[in-house]
Amino acid sequence: DAMVIQNPRYQVTQFGKPVTLSCSQTLNHNVMYWYQQKSSQAPKLLFHYYDKDFNNEADTPDNFQSRRPNTSFCFLDIRSPGLGDAAMYLCATSSRFRTGTYNEQFFGPGTRLTVL
Amino acid sequence: RKEVEQDPGPFNVPEGATVAFNCTYSNSASQSFFWYRQDCRKEPKLLMSVYSSGNEDGRFTAQLNRASQYISLLIRDSKLSDSATYLCVVNSVGGNKLVFGAGTILRVKS
Repeated sequence: DAMVIQNPRYQVTQFGKPVTLSCSQTLNHNVMYWYQQKSSQAPKLLFHYYDKDFNNEADTPDNFQSRRPNTSFCFLDIRSPGLGDAAMYLCATSSRFRTGTYNEQFFGPGTRLTVL
Repeated sequence: RKEVEQDPGPFNVPEGATVAFNCTYSNSASQSFFWYRQDCRKEPKLLMSVYSSGNEDGRFTAQLNRASQYISLLIRDSKLSDSATYLCVVNSVGGNKLVFGAGTILRVKS
């Protein structure tokens, strides 16, 4: 089945130790998103790619970086995790037409990050 | 003004009740509208897309009011299993991404 896969599902890191979260998709969607979600809050968009075009949210800290080497994969790098970065990180994909119309987003199961 | 606004709730309703949520959006040029459901500690999952003519899926009805720039979700005959957070998603101003509302919490009680 076509899907969005995130690895690992659970990640424990130490304060300040870089960590990379991965996302892959078999849907061939041209848009990929990374969200941060903390308990009882809505998902917060960090950045998204429209094809290779990277779009950073204005309030996303520099500590967060992303790479999309090809259509199928997208990575979230947290260069120096702090205690406040402990959260669920959600990857999502969607397809977008040139008219600006989007199809629905499909989410991966998320990676729960713990910072010690 | 936020691009997408929702009443956070919680809406506490008895089983069998009918409940409705609204979501307002700021981008008058938006073309894509969705309702998502999110259970605790799970990823959001698409509940339904919202079409201009309105659409219904079983106990769920979604409607779009372009003139007033809001979408609605109506749930009839609420079940305990409907308890979740309902997230509204719309094109952003500028149209280059989808934007989530903060979500509305629904609690259905027996």
